[in-house]
Amino acid sequence: NAGVMQNPRHLVRRRGQEARLRCSPMKGHSHVYWYRQLPEEGLKFMVYLQKENIIDESGMPKERFSAEFPKEGPSILRIQQVVRGDSAAYFCASSPPAGTRDTPNEQFFGPGTRLTVL
Amino acid sequence: KNEVEQSPQNLTAQEGEFITINCSYSVGISALHWLQQHPGGGIVSLFMLSSGKKKHGRLIATINIQEKHSSLHITASHPRDSAVYICAAYFSGGSNYKLTFGKGTLLTVNP
Repeated sequence: NAGVMQNPRHLVRRRGQEARLRCSPMKGHSHVYWYRQLPEEGLKFMVYLQKENIIDESGMPKERFSAEFPKEGPSILRIQQVVRGDSAAYFCASSPPAGTRDTPNEQFFGPGTRLTVL
Repeated sequence: KNEVEQSPQNLTAQEGEFITINCSYSVGISALHWLQQHPGGGIVSLFMLSSGKKKHGRLIATINIQEKHSSLHITASHPRDSAVYICAAYFSGGSNYKLTFGKGTLLTVNP
């Protein structure tokens, strides 16, 4: 039973290029979460998706960032026209359908994609 | 404001020592994760707990809801335990999916 998979593990882009980060959730998980870890900072929530739906994107920068989780295939975090400040580790997590407000479901994390913008 | 504080920020120990890492949070939570991250590595969920105590091997996590405090203990520490340990909480007043993270505790265990 494979865990959460992310690819690529390392991605180098020049300023102005696009970055596409992929996340395949654990088998049986239909919920995906993206987090960003900036150098010397803690992890921050970006977006929560279910299949074909964005549930909460309150942590996403307003411009250049988008996320999707299509019916088939992995979830994609897309960063257009990357800038040096986008250099970070991006982690994806997955869970079964969320529990109740009082009993959230455990999230399982992927290995991360380390994005470097030159 | 929903906040998670960890202490200490850095911890150095000798192999075999008993380790305690602390986590406190500002308001009520529904559950809390303890996570492990090796340098340049991925994130592994060690525990998720909402009350009491959980044990897995040499790791023990406890939580005191009234005091808004959780601890992660490592018994008989080993150099392979060297990593960043991160506490993350689901705050009760918010969603049941959005995690708020502490800044982590860097543990170094010397042989």
